[in-house]
Amino acid sequence: QVQLKQSGPSLVQPSQSLSITCTVSGFSLTSYGVHWVRQSPGKGLEWLGVIWRGGSTDYNAAFMSRLSITKDNSKSQVFFKMNSLQADDTAIYYCAKSLYGSSLYWYFDVWGAGTTVTVSS
Amino acid sequence: DIQMTQSPASLSASVGETVTITCRASENIYSYLAWYQQKQGKSPQLLVYNAKTLAEGVPSRFSGSGSGTQFSLKINSLQPEDFGSYYCQHHYGTPLTFGAGTKLELK
Repeated sequence: QVQLKQSGPSLVQPSQSLSITCTVSGFSLTSYGVHWVRQSPGKGLEWLGVIWRGGSTDYNAAFMSRLSITKDNSKSQVFFKMNSLQADDTAIYYCAKSLYGSSLYWYFDVWGAGTTVTVSS
Repeated sequence: DIQMTQSPASLSASVGETVTITCRASENIYSYLAWYQQKQGKSPQLLVYNAKTLAEGVPSRFSGSGSGTQFSLKINSLQPEDFGSYYCQHHYGTPLTFGAGTKLELK
C-alpha cells in the first residue's frame, strides 16, 4: 500500500524556516518523484516543487529563492525546507507521489495527510 | 503563469443527478489536465488525468473531456460520496497551477 507520512511543526515564527519530512512506503524514491503542494483559504492549491527519482528538482519560480527539496533514498524520506516564512505562508503543506516515474506527466496520485502550518509569533 | 478558471464555484445537486464542472485554461494546454476530488478535512484524490483518463479505482460515472483551453468533468448519477470540492490542474510547463475549485453540495 502506497503511503506518505508527514512530520513537521504546526507553528513557525515569522522569518523562521519550515522543515517537513515526508516518509514514503509502498514505493521507492528511486522510481517515482515526490511533489510538494500547499493549500490555503486565500490562495487555494499552489504547487511548490518536485524532486525526481534521479534527485533533480524543479521549483515554482515564486518560491525558488527560499525553497529546498532533498531526499534520502535509503531512508525513503523526502525533506522540504522553506525559509523566511511570513503570515501568508500559513497553509496546509502536502507531499504527493508523482503518478509516473518519469517527468513526462506531472500529476499526483497519492497524497500525504498534510501538515497544517501556522506562521505566527 | 497559466490561469485555470473553474465554473461554477459552487453547485447544489441531488443524489442521482448528473452534473458538469468546467475548467478553462488561459492558454492552450493540449490535454495536460487533471481533476481532483477533495472531501472536507482530507487530501485531494486524483480522478482524471490527461484530460480524459480515469485514475485507478475511479468509478465509471466520472468522465473527463476537452482539450486546448476548455475542459469538463461530468459526474453521472451522483452518489452520496461524490459531494465535496473538485479542482482542475494543468501541467503544461511550470509552474503547475490549479483552479480555484468547485464545491459540490447536496441539495
